[in-house]
Amino acid sequence: NAGVTQTPKFQVLKTGQSMTLQCAQDMNHEYMSWYRQDPGMGLRLIHYSVGAGITDQGEVPNGYNVSRSTTEDFPLRLLSAAPSQTSVYFCASSRDRSEAFFGQGTRLTVV
Amino acid sequence: AQSVTQLGSHVSVSEGALVLLRCNYSSSVPPYLFWYVQYPNQGLQLLLKYTSAATLVKGINGFEAEFKKSETSFHLTKPSAHMSDAAEYFCAVILYSSASKIIFGSGTRLSIRP
Repeated sequence: NAGVTQTPKFQVLKTGQSMTLQCAQDMNHEYMSWYRQDPGMGLRLIHYSVGAGITDQGEVPNGYNVSRSTTEDFPLRLLSAAPSQTSVYFCASSRDRSEAFFGQGTRLTVV
Repeated sequence: AQSVTQLGSHVSVSEGALVLLRCNYSSSVPPYLFWYVQYPNQGLQLLLKYTSAATLVKGINGFEAEFKKSETSFHLTKPSAHMSDAAEYFCAVILYSSASKIIFGSGTRLSIRP
C-alpha cells in the first residue's frame, strides 16, 4: 500500500518550459488536492477534485491546470513555468473530512 | 471565509520545558481540526486530529491539543520538549463543505535550546 505517490521529487525548469507533476493514490479516495508551500505562507490550495471528471480552483490557481480522468491520478500541469512558481508542491487525498494523506512533495525550481 | 491563524511564526523553548503552539480558527460550523509536523526537507506527518469526539486529543510523540469552542482555539502542547521536536508545525482545518479543501495556518517553527 503506497498511499500517495508524487513524482518527480526534484525538478529544475527554465522559464517558459512546461511540465506535469504526477500524483497517484491507491486508497480509492474520491477527494484529491494540490498545494504549494512557500516560506511563511503555509500551504495554499491550488486546485482540488471531488471525484473523477470534477475539478475546481483553489486559492492560487493561476498558471496551473489539472484534470482527473481516473480516481487514482490527479496530475498538475504548469503550462509556462515562471520563477514565481518555484515552490514545494504537495498532493493530498482523502476519503472524508476525518483525515488527509499527503505525498512526500515535489521541490520545483524555475530559473 | 474559513481561516486558521497560528500565533508566532517562531517559538523557541529549552529542552525539558513546556511547548505551547497556538492556533485559532474561524468557522461557522464545527470544524475538523488537525496538527501536522514537518521535519526539514520532508513531507507532512499527522500529529493529531479533532473530529468532534473528545475535546482533549492525544497525538504522537507526547503531543496533545484541546478543542475550546468558546475560544475557537486548538492549541498544541507537550509537557517536556525534546531536541527531536524541532520542526515546523501546521494547524489546519478541513472545510465542512468539501473534504478536498484543507485550510492551513502559516506555520510555526519550533526550536529547542539545549
